[in-house]
Amino acid sequence: GAVVSQHPSWVICKSGTSVKIECRSLDFQATTMFWYRQFPKQSLMLMATSNEGSKATYEQGVEKDKFLINHASLTLSTLTVTSAHPEDSSFYICSAGNLAGGDYNEQFFGPGTRLTVL
Amino acid sequence: GQNIDQPTEMTATEGAIVQINCTYQTSGFNGLFWYQQHAGEAPTFLSYNVLDGLEEKGRFSSFLSRSKGYSYLLLKELQMKDSASYLCAVRDSNYQLIWGAGTKLIIKP
Repeated sequence: GAVVSQHPSWVICKSGTSVKIECRSLDFQATTMFWYRQFPKQSLMLMATSNEGSKATYEQGVEKDKFLINHASLTLSTLTVTSAHPEDSSFYICSAGNLAGGDYNEQFFGPGTRLTVL
Repeated sequence: GQNIDQPTEMTATEGAIVQINCTYQTSGFNGLFWYQQHAGEAPTFLSYNVLDGLEEKGRFSSFLSRSKGYSYLLLKELQMKDSASYLCAVRDSNYQLIWGAGTKLIIKP
């Protein structure tokens, strides 16, 4: 399957700082990238869907000014957690897909980024 | 509203067979996915069903009945490494994935 990378794999930051997480599709062009958040022992929660070259679509309850998403190219999307607080500590996972790819569209997941805000 | 139901936790014995069920109510249906997720890791793809019936892939099989809004994941010849959470996800009419909460599978020797 296709490979999606995330960087960093883990980050610890102080409350009030901003953190940027990168998601890259390494061997295919991802027209759509998804950002998820997962708290311990809970399922994935979709935060936003981003299409290359356009603004991200945020899920209800997700603050777009706090979680800035940029999808400037077909291989890179970034999530910036602005003014992070301890309650933002979570496992952030991106996935990439090509919804133009016909009948079967798998999402390929990155390895995730564990964010801890002190 | 949209809803995916699966058991919270199951326990099985090494070498045995286990079936994890998933029922769903979604606005439209464009396929059902099963993912495996080990603790602290991202999900990995196991199977995809869009038509009724059984899809077999090695030790894992997945079944779908669209009329019943029902799927199951069947794991045979269980190994200790199969201990993980198994996530059922349905793609709705907007091509969004709706996720179940996952079933934690515990394998005992």
